[in-house]
Amino acid sequence: NAGVTQTPKFRVLKTGQSMTLLCAQDMNHEYMYWYRQDPGMGLRLIHYSVGEGTTAKGEVPDGYNVSRLKKQNFLLGLESAAPSQTSVYFCASSYGEVGNQPQHFGDGTRLSIL
Amino acid sequence: AQSVTQLGSHVSVSEGALVLLRCNYSSSVPPYLFWYVQYPNQGLQLLLKYTTGATLVKGINGFEAEFKKSETSFHLTKPSAHMSDAAEYFCAVSSRFQGAQKLVFGQGTRLTINP
Repeated sequence: NAGVTQTPKFRVLKTGQSMTLLCAQDMNHEYMYWYRQDPGMGLRLIHYSVGEGTTAKGEVPDGYNVSRLKKQNFLLGLESAAPSQTSVYFCASSYGEVGNQPQHFGDGTRLSIL
Repeated sequence: AQSVTQLGSHVSVSEGALVLLRCNYSSSVPPYLFWYVQYPNQGLQLLLKYTTGATLVKGINGFEAEFKKSETSFHLTKPSAHMSDAAEYFCAVSSRFQGAQKLVFGQGTRLTINP
């Protein structure tokens, strides 16, 4: 019963490097989300997807790109990492639109940019 | 745009005491409201939610919250704290953003339980 799985769990990058965070869900959910969590700021929505092949910008999309080529996977990319992107990243998924269906969260990816 | 304010970034109570975590939201219409809990090094878990109907909502682990429209509040309570309740708690409200419903989170309240 995996739920939402995020890979990797930890990563340290140098400024300017690129990387991709992977989120996989096995619940056949349509909606998927990427958040970042920073101290004292709660969770902020980066990008989201309402179905396979679709993506949309959230509150803080700058510096990130996403793709949803398969329903079960949602990838978050950093093309040129910056220290301001040091954060904990959470992926979430839900069967339907928030309010009607709860969001299920992964355990997070802790990313440090030096 | 919707916003959520959690009063107190840190709350400390004794084991067995009442837990009260405060949440206020800004909204002109009744929103969907949520409380999530985050244990160390884990993701968020849904404690409870309010959509429509009864204003007193019961959740998991003995927590409950009351939706008060007149006060735009959704405070979380538990009558008797347990050591296992130590965690960070987030209040969230649904908000329509670019044509779709999203969650807007408060900044979080870290709950510490003293033996």
